[in-house]
Amino acid sequence: QKEVEQDPGPLSVPEGAIVSLNCTYSNSAFQYFMWYRQYSRKGPELLMYTYSSGNKEDGRFTAQVDKSSKYISLFIRDSQPSDSATYLCAMSAPGGSYIPTFGRGTSLIVHP
Amino acid sequence: GAVVSQHPSWVICKSGTSVKIECRSLDFQATTMFWYRQFPKQSLMLMATSNEGSKATYEQGVEKDKFLINHASLTLSTLTVTSAHPEDSSFYICSARVRGIAYEQYFGPGTRLTVT
Repeated sequence: QKEVEQDPGPLSVPEGAIVSLNCTYSNSAFQYFMWYRQYSRKGPELLMYTYSSGNKEDGRFTAQVDKSSKYISLFIRDSQPSDSATYLCAMSAPGGSYIPTFGRGTSLIVHP
Repeated sequence: GAVVSQHPSWVICKSGTSVKIECRSLDFQATTMFWYRQFPKQSLMLMATSNEGSKATYEQGVEKDKFLINHASLTLSTLTVTSAHPEDSSFYICSARVRGIAYEQYFGPGTRLTVT
C-alpha cells in the first residue's frame, strides 16, 4: 500500500460544477496537508495548505482534512475550464523533516 | 512572492554530454531545495534534497555520480546530468522551501531534457 493514494482520473465535469478531489493516506504522523495544481508541462503550483484537521477556504477552493479517517479533500466550486489541470495532494510529517509525500495526481477536465 | 525560476526550460543534448540545470529562488531564501523527476502522467519522483552548504541527500536508486547537485547559496541550486543517455530524458523540476517554514515549498517551472 502506498503512503498516499490518489485516483489519477481523468475526472471530467461541465463548467460550473462542484469538483471533489480526494486523497487517502496511511501515515498517521502526517501533519501538513497541501494541494498543488499542475498545468501540462509546468511545475506544480501550491494552492492551499492545512495544518492538522479542519477546513480551509480560499475563494472557490476549500480544503478539508479528516485525520481520523486519514482522508483529505479539495473542493472547487463553480469550476472553470481554466481549472483543467492535474491536482496533486501532498503531506508531510516532522519525522521526515517535513519532506512532502505526493499523491500521483488527479487529472481534471472542465469542459465548457 | 515565492517565485522559483529554472533555466533552461528545455534542452536537447547528445548522448554522452553533460547538462546543467539551474534553480533559483528569486524573492526568498531557501535553506532546502529539492530536485524531482517526472515522467508523463506520473507523479513527482524525489531525486535528492539539498541544504545550503552541505552535500545533497539522494533518494534510493538515484545515482549521485550521475546527477550532481550543488547548493552553493541560499538562492541557487544546480543539477548536472553527467554523461547523459536517452533514458535520462525526462521533466526535471526543482523546488525550494521557504526558510523556517516547513510546509511552504514552491516549484520551478521545470526543465524538459531530451537526450538524443
